[in-house]
Amino acid sequence: EDQVTQSPEALRLQEGESSSLNCSYTVSGLRGLFWYRQDPGKGPEFLFTLYSAGEEKEKERLKATLTKKESFLHITAPKPEDSATYLCAVPFYGGSQGNLIFGKGTKLSVKP
Amino acid sequence: SQTIHQWPATLVQPVGSPLSLECTVEGTSNPNLYWYRQAAGRGLQLLFYSVGIGQISSEVPQNLSASRPQDRQFILSSKKLLLSDSGFYLCAWDSGLNTGELFFGEGSRLTVL
Repeated sequence: EDQVTQSPEALRLQEGESSSLNCSYTVSGLRGLFWYRQDPGKGPEFLFTLYSAGEEKEKERLKATLTKKESFLHITAPKPEDSATYLCAVPFYGGSQGNLIFGKGTKLSVKP
Repeated sequence: SQTIHQWPATLVQPVGSPLSLECTVEGTSNPNLYWYRQAAGRGLQLLFYSVGIGQISSEVPQNLSASRPQDRQFILSSKKLLLSDSGFYLCAWDSGLNTGELFFGEGSRLTVL
C-alpha cells in the first residue's frame, strides 16, 4: 500500500535556527514527490516537485531534496513568516498526477 | 489569471441533514477538479476527482457524492450527514498536463453536531 510519513509532527525553531523536515514514502513507481505549504485555515500552496533521486529545488530559504526512499525540506535561517504546516505528497499509483496521497504534515513554528 | 472559489466557508449542520458545497474555477478551461477532506489528526484525503463534465471518480466509499454540471463547477453533496463527515473540505484544480501542481481553494469547514 502506498504511504507517506512525515516527521517530526511539530517543530519549534528560533529565528535563524536552520533545520530539516523529513518525508518518507512507499509507492509503486514514484512519479513525483510534491511539497506544499499550508497556513492555518487556508488551502495548501504548491512549493516544489521532485522527480528523481538526487534532484534538488530551492525557493528563498527552502530547499527540497529527494532520495530513493525519502525527501527532505531544508529550512535555512528561518523567519517567523515561515511558520506553517508543510505537507508532502505523492501520486496514487495508476492515478493522475492530481490524485495525491498526502502525509499528515509537519507544523513549523518559528519564534522571533 | 486563474482563481478558485469555494462556499460556504463555514457551516454547522445537524446529523442527518443534507449538504451542498460548491466550487467554481475561473480563468481556465477543462480543468481536472478534485475534492479533498482534511479531518482532525489525518492528512488530506482525496474524495472525488473529475476529468470532465459528468465524469466523477470516487476514491473513498462514503455517504458523500459529487457532481460536475458545468466545465468549471464542482459540487459535493450528502443526503444525510454523519458525525464523521466533519472536517475541512478543499476543492482543487489542475491543468490536466500532469505537472503535479494542484491549486486549492480556501476551503469549507464543516462541523456536524
